[in-house]
Amino acid sequence: AQKITQTQPGMFVQEKEAVTLDCTYDTSDPSYGLFWYKQPSSGEMIFLIYQGSYDQQNATEGRYSLNFQKARKSANLVISASQLGDSAMYFCAMREGARTGANSKLTFGKGITLSVRP
Amino acid sequence: GAGVSQTPSNKVTEKGKYVELRCDPISGHTALYWYRQSLGQGPEFLIYFQGTGAADDSGLPNDRFFAVRPEGSVSTLKIQRTERGDSAVYLCASSSSTSGGPNIQYFGAGTRLSVL
Repeated sequence: AQKITQTQPGMFVQEKEAVTLDCTYDTSDPSYGLFWYKQPSSGEMIFLIYQGSYDQQNATEGRYSLNFQKARKSANLVISASQLGDSAMYFCAMREGARTGANSKLTFGKGITLSVRP
Repeated sequence: GAGVSQTPSNKVTEKGKYVELRCDPISGHTALYWYRQSLGQGPEFLIYFQGTGAADDSGLPNDRFFAVRPEGSVSTLKIQRTERGDSAVYLCASSSSTSGGPNIQYFGAGTRLSVL
């Protein structure tokens, strides 16, 4: 089974509107971390937001928030007030064993293309 | 402060040749990661270093791939006898190693490898 699933092939949003990018995950590890990265056409992976599996509140970073539903194993990214510069690929990723203190690999989804229309 | 630096940004080589890709992590980051990203896909893990040692090399596809980090800072990914299927963007990331912390991985701009 895929560990990270991003099924939306492409998303369009009007400038200044909010958009939700979906991510579901699969793990049996009780300790894990969830990440969202943005990859514009330039290619660099830009960290956006992090949610730990034990965090009680949904993570927020400026215009980005993470809708974490642990029982459903979903970690959707919400971008408020979309800007033209938000047009990019967005990747959801997971790191298992987050609380053991041992760094480990990120497992990425296939990504979602977001296009912001003026 | 400087981010993760990868050189070269582009590398074109012929099938069968040897290539080296370099990664200079963020200063003070003890953890370093290599990923490979094929067109239209998410990055796939290759190898992870903690200090000088490879803590996890389970993602290396075969013995043509090798990576080193001799002084715990700069790392080199080495590919022998390159094949056309090795063509991809090779991404390097680094992170701190705080126990229980998020240890965000920060990525470089990548090296685009093209094997002709």
